[in-house]
Amino acid sequence: AQKITQTQPGMFVQEKEAVTLDCTYDTSDPSYGLFWYKQPSSGEMIFLIYQGSYDQQNATEGRYSLNFQKARKSANLVISASQLGDSAMYFCAMREFNYGQNFVFGPGTRLSVLP
Amino acid sequence: DSGVTQTPKHLITATGQRVTLRCSPRSGDLSVYWYQQSLDQGLQFLIQYYNGEERAKGNILERFSAQQFPDLHSELNLSSLELGDSALYFCASSPRVGGADNEQFFGPGTRLTVL
Repeated sequence: AQKITQTQPGMFVQEKEAVTLDCTYDTSDPSYGLFWYKQPSSGEMIFLIYQGSYDQQNATEGRYSLNFQKARKSANLVISASQLGDSAMYFCAMREFNYGQNFVFGPGTRLSVLP
Repeated sequence: DSGVTQTPKHLITATGQRVTLRCSPRSGDLSVYWYQQSLDQGLQFLIQYYNGEERAKGNILERFSAQQFPDLHSELNLSSLELGDSALYFCASSPRVGGADNEQFFGPGTRLTVL
């Protein structure tokens, strides 16, 4: 069965520092996608980055990169040069492409960026 | 502004009632997703439509149904409402079904309160 684990309920980082948010997953489907989303306190949901299970390179989008370690089933989000506006909830999610295309979300990590 | 609109922003209703949530995707996007976010269940994927056809089904209750119309807007119908249906309902759109193009654009959400 699909499962996403985010072991860090809350994280603090100093402004301009890099931070890694952990995400591990479990699936038996060889074809899947991994997603990260950001939800600021205002409540909107923002898609950040996507990694496919067959992608050879780690995905990057500006200051966001996804550290994909397939053998360890981990998909950590790295935010470089943190900004105050990065303070938010971050959700990791997985979608299995062969088994019903369902999305499963992790419980989220609340990131606080300190000035 | 993501370009995805959802109406209404807030909805307060009573148990046993039926409501309809509406979503208009970004211009040109063919795929619409529905998600539920509640304190109890966290984020859950409900259903996805692509160009009018159901594409994937998640944890959608039988009391809930959705459709996507020829103009690509989508409606989520919730009936026989229970207190536990109180949640933030997000709609998202993306240009295609899946695969490499998995970027999703989220609407602001509809906050449903069942009293």
